[in-house]
Amino acid sequence: AQSVTQLGSHVSVSEGALVLLRCNYSSSVPPYLFWYVQYPNQGLQLLLKYTSAATLVKGINGFEAEFKKSETSFHLTKPSAHMSDAAEYFCALRYGGYQKVTFGTGTKLQVIP
Amino acid sequence: NAGVTQTPKFQVLKTGQSMTLQCAQDMNHNSMYWYRQDPGMGLRLIYYSASEGTTDKGEVPNGYNVSRLNKREFSLRLESAAPSQTSVYFCASSERGGDSDPSYEQYFGPGTRLTVT
Repeated sequence: AQSVTQLGSHVSVSEGALVLLRCNYSSSVPPYLFWYVQYPNQGLQLLLKYTSAATLVKGINGFEAEFKKSETSFHLTKPSAHMSDAAEYFCALRYGGYQKVTFGTGTKLQVIP
Repeated sequence: NAGVTQTPKFQVLKTGQSMTLQCAQDMNHNSMYWYRQDPGMGLRLIYYSASEGTTDKGEVPNGYNVSRLNKREFSLRLESAAPSQTSVYFCASSERGGDSDPSYEQYFGPGTRLTVT
């Protein structure tokens, strides 16, 4: 079965520090992978997506993620956290000919001034 | 473009009452989805519609029905609400981005917060 696992339901970083949010996936076929961000009381917004064109994917707001097949990972990073990055982040996977997407349980990012 | 819109934004129901959540998209997408979001559980798929005239069950369909009214609209109905259906409900739509982008990136509405007492 296809699945995604997000390690850490809450992550705290200091403003200006590296942001690293972890996502591991399980898929028997090449996956499409996504990171979404959800600000309080809002819907989800796409940060970036992996579609096999390039393993290092750059997204909005300075975020990027690297697809590592050998580690079945798609971790999200940002070199320097900003207060406005405080939100919940979801990793998601779509596979093969299916249009359904499986979401991770989310990681809430807190940025400490 | 408004993207994906949902009504209502908030709703309080008593156990046993019924209601319909409305969703519409103006992006000409074929696929539409209903999710529920509960703390610590991420988003779980209730139903989806790959195209107008088709609907399929997702991970948690019990207690819900859907109607794909036309290409733009996809509604979710609770026939007899239960406290376990207290949640935030999101509608989403997607479309293939073309030969260079087969990802079916999803676009989300702002959500409906439903409380069942």
